[in-house]
Amino acid sequence: ENVLTQSPDTLSLSPGERATLSCRASQSVSRNNLAWYQFKPGQAPRLVIYSAFNRATGIPDRFSGSGSGTEFTLTISRLEPEDFAVYYCQQYGNTKTFGQGTKVEIK
Amino acid sequence: EIQLAESGGGLAQPGGSLRLSCAGPGFTLSHAMGWVRQSPGKGLEWVSSVSADDTRRYPADSVKGRFTISKDNSKNTLFLQMNNLRGEDTAIYYCARFSHCGGDCPFDSWGQGTLVTVSS
Repeated sequence: ENVLTQSPDTLSLSPGERATLSCRASQSVSRNNLAWYQFKPGQAPRLVIYSAFNRATGIPDRFSGSGSGTEFTLTISRLEPEDFAVYYCQQYGNTKTFGQGTKVEIK
Repeated sequence: EIQLAESGGGLAQPGGSLRLSCAGPGFTLSHAMGWVRQSPGKGLEWVSSVSADDTRRYPADSVKGRFTISKDNSKNTLFLQMNNLRGEDTAIYYCARFSHCGGDCPFDSWGQGTLVTVSS
């Protein structure tokens, strides 16, 4: 199983600041099949990034993904109030696994 | 705008059964679909997937032989039949739709989840 480890567990930032979230895989992610999802209480989860760096439909360009192999990053260039949420990475190869999540909270 | 909505969650006894359903505008004939669960102990866990035409099913090892996924295109509904439930199956269960990407794909639409509690 490809174990995904996210860091940090919690990121305390102010609106307007830059957020950098990390996702490390225990094995290389095939074809960079790595996605990021946004979870907010009471809402359906939302796909943010797929194939490591492609923004999903409707996702603003302040969100960007990068990385390859075993190291991936989600960057939010300037945090808006609606961006405070929990973010999970997922590798979607044969056996799909998720990271444990990073909570982006208001400082 | 709600694309997918789950129903059927609730309290079940160990060894018991529940059937989850998922429907909504996000359900289409052409998308494969799956179930993902979230629990405090295990985090997010992929549970099972089904092909768009309901001919191929892929269960996680943790539910193999106990849970059965099915996609009824005539009823526009996704199901998860859960038998022989265990305490560790307690979780929020999300249905999710795979995107069209020509291979292994991410989930591009999710429901809000339904809570399943297994306890005596």
